[in-house]
Amino acid sequence: DGGITQSPKYLFRKEGQNVTLSCEQNLNHDAMYWYRQDPGQGLRLIYYSQIVNDFQKGDIAEGYSVSREKKESFPLTVTSAQKNPTAFYLCASSIQTQETQYFGPGTRLLVL
Amino acid sequence: AQSVSQHNHHVILSEAASLELGCNYSYGGTVNLFWYVQYPGQHLQLLLKYFSGDPLVKGIKGFEAEFIKSKFSFNLRKPSVQWSDTAEYFCAGKGPGAGNMLTFGGGTRLMVKP
Repeated sequence: DGGITQSPKYLFRKEGQNVTLSCEQNLNHDAMYWYRQDPGQGLRLIYYSQIVNDFQKGDIAEGYSVSREKKESFPLTVTSAQKNPTAFYLCASSIQTQETQYFGPGTRLLVL
Repeated sequence: AQSVSQHNHHVILSEAASLELGCNYSYGGTVNLFWYVQYPGQHLQLLLKYFSGDPLVKGIKGFEAEFIKSKFSFNLRKPSVQWSDTAEYFCAGKGPGAGNMLTFGGGTRLMVKP
């Protein structure tokens, strides 16, 4: 099956710990994205990558970091610097020259 | 700054009622507009999109949206909703110079009563 997978589905961490969320796609898409979804605020872009070994900050990049060492993988690290990390995190991908983004199932992060 | 706004945060309808969800965007020039839907416990899915051409766009599951440039709007419609349409709906847009970056509205939660 082609698609985007995110793991785990739920993640619990203690305050002050870094945590890495996984995103993998087998759609051969060049571009990948991370969004944060909070109630009533829609989706806000954290980071995006248009090609391997390149990534750009989105609207709310502070407290997050990413890497793009492989085309199919775009992990997101939520660092201890992120003031309010509890949220639903969505990964997406798109063919570089097209506009439609396809989304993974999401990871719900709860920081205690 | 480019923005997309959805003014209805929560909508409750009975089955067979007609639906219209509002979406407005703030930028001029060539725009690409989308409606996504998130059913409970499922992925965010694309309902329909507008790039150019016919301003009335047909999507999946009987949904349609109309691009009205003069009103900066891209409202989502369905003539007769079903209980299975209960979901959260997101409008998104991309204006000139934004690259592949989409801006999302705040979402509208639709509940359809059986």
